[in-house]
Amino acid sequence: QVQLVESGGGVVQPGGSLRLSCAASGFTFSDHVMHWVRQAPGKGLEWVAAVVRDGNEKLYAESVKGRFTISRDNSRNTVYLQMDSLRPEDTSIYYCVRDNNAWGFDCWGQGTLVIVSS
Amino acid sequence: QTVVTQEPSFSVSPGGTVTLTCGFSSGSVSPTSYPSWYQQTPGQPPRTLIYNTNTRSSGVPDRFSGSILGNKAALTITGAQADDDSDYYCVLFMTSGTWAFGGGTKLTVL
Repeated sequence: QVQLVESGGGVVQPGGSLRLSCAASGFTFSDHVMHWVRQAPGKGLEWVAAVVRDGNEKLYAESVKGRFTISRDNSRNTVYLQMDSLRPEDTSIYYCVRDNNAWGFDCWGQGTLVIVSS
Repeated sequence: QTVVTQEPSFSVSPGGTVTLTCGFSSGSVSPTSYPSWYQQTPGQPPRTLIYNTNTRSSGVPDRFSGSILGNKAALTITGAQADDDSDYYCVLFMTSGTWAFGGGTKLTVL
């Protein structure tokens, strides 16, 4: 079955860096755009970034542009989120999400928690 | 900066019908906004309900339906059940080529 498993979350100091990974299985990974979506504790969902199938085009929310970098390795069925210059307001659960190629998000991982705190 | 708006909260009686809406702070939602809807219960990742305005995701019962009403996207729940008591989020495709979620609607069934 389709599965997305995030890893790499943890506690980091403001200004620090963290790299999240999302391992995909159960489908042809290279056929799908992939997204990261986050949710701060007790708050709503926020779209963060997307990467197209071949990795050549990347899109970002204004709140993370210039600080976060999304990438993918189709040989490893993995999508990444490199997060630099982290701020306390980046504290969230980060979800890896598959695009269904029909203008929707159809599969969500369980999420990985990132806490930015001194 | 244009933001996506949703009602913060709504309530419906069991068996009743409720329509949640999703709009832009400035401008109208159109089919090329590709609205989609997600349901989330505490401690769980979101579940996909509707995408591309009105297409139900696999396994979603037909009492959930999507549409565009006036200048907003809409999610209608017909015959509300107790386990529909959840948070509901819409997401719209922006002219910048990015996506934006609404703030979410907390639906209470009582």
